[in-house]
Amino acid sequence: EAEVAQSPRYKITEKSQAVAFWCDPISGHATLYWYRQILGQGPELLVQFQDESVVDDSQLPKDRFSAERLKGVDSTLKIQPAELGDSAMYLCASSLLRDLTGELFFGEGSRLTVL
Amino acid sequence: KQEVTQIPAALSVPEGENLVLNCSFTDSAIYNLQWFRQDPGKGLTSLLLIQSSQREQTSGRLNASLDKSSGRSTLYIAASQPGDSATYLCAVRLPSQGGSEKLVFGKGTKLTVNP
Repeated sequence: EAEVAQSPRYKITEKSQAVAFWCDPISGHATLYWYRQILGQGPELLVQFQDESVVDDSQLPKDRFSAERLKGVDSTLKIQPAELGDSAMYLCASSLLRDLTGELFFGEGSRLTVL
Repeated sequence: KQEVTQIPAALSVPEGENLVLNCSFTDSAIYNLQWFRQDPGKGLTSLLLIQSSQREQTSGRLNASLDKSSGRSTLYIAASQPGDSATYLCAVRLPSQGGSEKLVFGKGTKLTVNP
């Protein structure tokens, strides 16, 4: 069964260090999302891509976060420098085309702990 | 701003009991509503997707209903089992900037089914 792949599953880093997360969506899914989930909360959208273009990054803290999807397939989310408050689960999701009726499929997530 | 509320925040039931999880949203201009399951430390698994024009969807022991005009959805779980223990999240898909769309999540209901 097709899956959204994410790595690493776990990352522990010290504040002020740089971290990066990778996501490979389900093959053929043009829309890719990065969400952040703080423990006990629902996921919140950070950035949305349609193919290689960003269509919504209004909630992305652009002073320290960046995201790219250069070839419109896999994507990288970077944090530099990491802060204590960035400790969370980072979830990647994908959906087929710009299908407003379609489901989102999530990966297993990357759990970040900033010390 | 769309707000999604899930009640109760936590629920503990004995095995075999039928139960209902509630989700409410403030803006009825949604494309669809999706119910997810999340096990501890894991990503989200899609359970049911209800389009805005639909009233309910069923999958096995799960039944989800949608009343868009009143801003409510329920997830009904029949004959609960210990393996159903997880956090259940609802999310509404709505218009976002640039002609895109996004999911807005509730905080989830943590379900424990006791043997």
